[in-house]
Amino acid sequence: AQSVTQLDSHVSVSEGTPVLLRCNYSSSYSPSLFWYVQHPNKGLQLLLKYTSAATLVKGINGFEAEFKKSETSFHLTKPSAHMSDAAEYFCVVSGGSGATNKLIFGTGTLLAVQP
Amino acid sequence: AAGVIQSPRHLIKEKRETATLKCYPIPRHDTVYWYQQGPGQDPQFLISFYEKMQSDKGSIPDRFSAQQFSDYHSELNMSSLELGDSALYFCASSLGPAGASTDTQYFGPGTRLTVL
Repeated sequence: AQSVTQLDSHVSVSEGTPVLLRCNYSSSYSPSLFWYVQHPNKGLQLLLKYTSAATLVKGINGFEAEFKKSETSFHLTKPSAHMSDAAEYFCVVSGGSGATNKLIFGTGTLLAVQP
Repeated sequence: AAGVIQSPRHLIKEKRETATLKCYPIPRHDTVYWYQQGPGQDPQFLISFYEKMQSDKGSIPDRFSAQQFSDYHSELNMSSLELGDSALYFCASSLGPAGASTDTQYFGPGTRLTVL
């Protein structure tokens, strides 16, 4: 079965400093991986997705993630944090063993950005 | 661009009442998914439909049912509501058959259900 583990429940950075949100996945085959962001009292917005093409995936708002099979990781990074990046971030894996596309969410990482 | 529409955005019900949540997918999307996000929790998959047929089922209580209509909109019917049903319910849509795991799911804004 597929699963994702987000290694940090809370991350706090200063504005203008790099962001690193860590995610490890478990899958019996090549997974599709996503990062979604949820701002307070808002819906889920797709940041980026990996689907076995380039291992370095660029997303919206300057975010990117690198798929590392040897480390079973899909960490999300951004060179310089902005106040508007404060939100909850979910690492997500898709694709079950059968004909299913259900998304399996990690427990989320709450990113705080200090001025 | 058109997004996923959910209605109502907020709903307050009493215990043992029923509720109906509606989801209108992005035009031309034929697959709909429902997720439940409890307070402080990650979203959990409930059920999905492709071309009006149920394609997968997750942790959906027997008190809940859902269907997809000919215009591809979907409704989630919840009966005998319990306090624990209070949550944010998301609908997502995608283009393509369930099982094509590269299809991106686009989420609606959610319906916040409060059961008193």
